[in-house]
Amino acid sequence: AQSVAQPEDQVNVAEGNPLTVKCTYSVSGNPYLFWYVQYPNRGLQFLLKYITGDNLVKGSYGFEAEFNKSQTSFHLKKPSALVSDSALYFCAVREDSNYQLIWGAGTKLIIKP
Amino acid sequence: GAVVSQHPSRVICKSGTSVKIECRSLDFQATTMFWYRQFPKQSLMLMATSNEGSKATYEQGVEKDKFLINHASLTLSTLTVTSAHPEDSSFYICSARGDNYNEQFFGPGTRLTVL
Repeated sequence: AQSVAQPEDQVNVAEGNPLTVKCTYSVSGNPYLFWYVQYPNRGLQFLLKYITGDNLVKGSYGFEAEFNKSQTSFHLKKPSALVSDSALYFCAVREDSNYQLIWGAGTKLIIKP
Repeated sequence: GAVVSQHPSRVICKSGTSVKIECRSLDFQATTMFWYRQFPKQSLMLMATSNEGSKATYEQGVEKDKFLINHASLTLSTLTVTSAHPEDSSFYICSARGDNYNEQFFGPGTRLTVL
């Protein structure tokens, strides 16, 4: 069965420090992996995706994520956090043959000045 | 990038009334649209998937007679919450996918409050 795990409900990082938001997945076929960000009372904004190619994917707002097939992970990273990065982050996966997304539970990212 | 709009952004209604939420793809043809519901501090729950011109496919546990979905054109899908009750209060988000895209594009969401 397909699934996505975001093991941390909340991640706290000091401004200027690097941040990592973890995501692991399970699919039977080739994974298409996505990260979205949601600000309070707003819809989701697309950050980045991995379909194929380079394992390191660069996205919006300075975020990047690394696809690790052996560890079935797709962790979201940023070298230097900003207070404005504070939001709810969702990891999602789908198989290449199915457009329905499977969602992680979300991780609340708090960046402290 | 592709843009999806939702209207209204917020709606407050009395218990027993029906509410219609519109989802539009502004610059692409949405072959498939998805409707999600999100409870506070929780992830998205897929309610239904609709393809243009076809009946929507509802997820298990979602009442199709209560949440009516119409995808009459390639740019518009509507979700009607019929006979709304306070427990229907939630954040409803739509997304759309076109044939040329690998991803879903999300609308800004609609906050429904039923009094």
